[in-house]
Amino acid sequence: GQQLNQSPQSMFIQEGEDVSMNCTSSSIFNTWLWYKQDPGEGPVLLIALYKAGELTSNGRLTAQFGITRKDSFLNISASIPSDVGIYFCAGRGRGFKTIFGAGTRLFVKA
Amino acid sequence: GAVVSQHPSWVICKSGTSVKIECRSLDFQATTMFWYRQFPKQSLMLMATSNEGSKATYEQGVEKDKFLINHASLTLSTLTVTSAHPEDSSFYICSVAQGRDTEAFFGQGTRLTVV
Repeated sequence: GQQLNQSPQSMFIQEGEDVSMNCTSSSIFNTWLWYKQDPGEGPVLLIALYKAGELTSNGRLTAQFGITRKDSFLNISASIPSDVGIYFCAGRGRGFKTIFGAGTRLFVKA
Repeated sequence: GAVVSQHPSWVICKSGTSVKIECRSLDFQATTMFWYRQFPKQSLMLMATSNEGSKATYEQGVEKDKFLINHASLTLSTLTVTSAHPEDSSFYICSVAQGRDTEAFFGQGTRLTVV
């Protein structure tokens, strides 16, 4: 079945540093999504991407939909302590199903 | 985006009992809802697709008789964990998508602990 490979698994960074994480797949997706999940809560949508090559920003977050439709990256600039959490990429192919990556745990040291 | 509410937020039940979890789409009529399970420090795994007015579609390896899904209205889907066992303890999350190839919005999740 469809699978997403998300990396890195975890990141330990200093406040103010930039962060980059990515997802790749052997399958083509029509939509790429990036979510953040805090402990004990459901994922919250950060950025949604709908077109190959699309580059979208949301505040300090920037994400791109790979031109091959098989990959996406998320950048966080000037990280702050509240950026701590688990970031998931997700892809949607035909239909409604959303497939999730394994997640990237971000730790930010003040 | 869609507002999704899950109830309860957490539940503790005895082994062998059944537990029902509700997922409501508060501002959108959802013909399709999704149920996920998440074990500690792991990703979200899709369990089933809940279809309004028809049978749910279960992912491979998910027992349909164990995890009963009912989607009787456009705003409510329920997941019942029957004869729960400690290994069913997990975080269960539902989601709603407003259309094909669009983003999905999630409920706040339900922490199930079976003792």
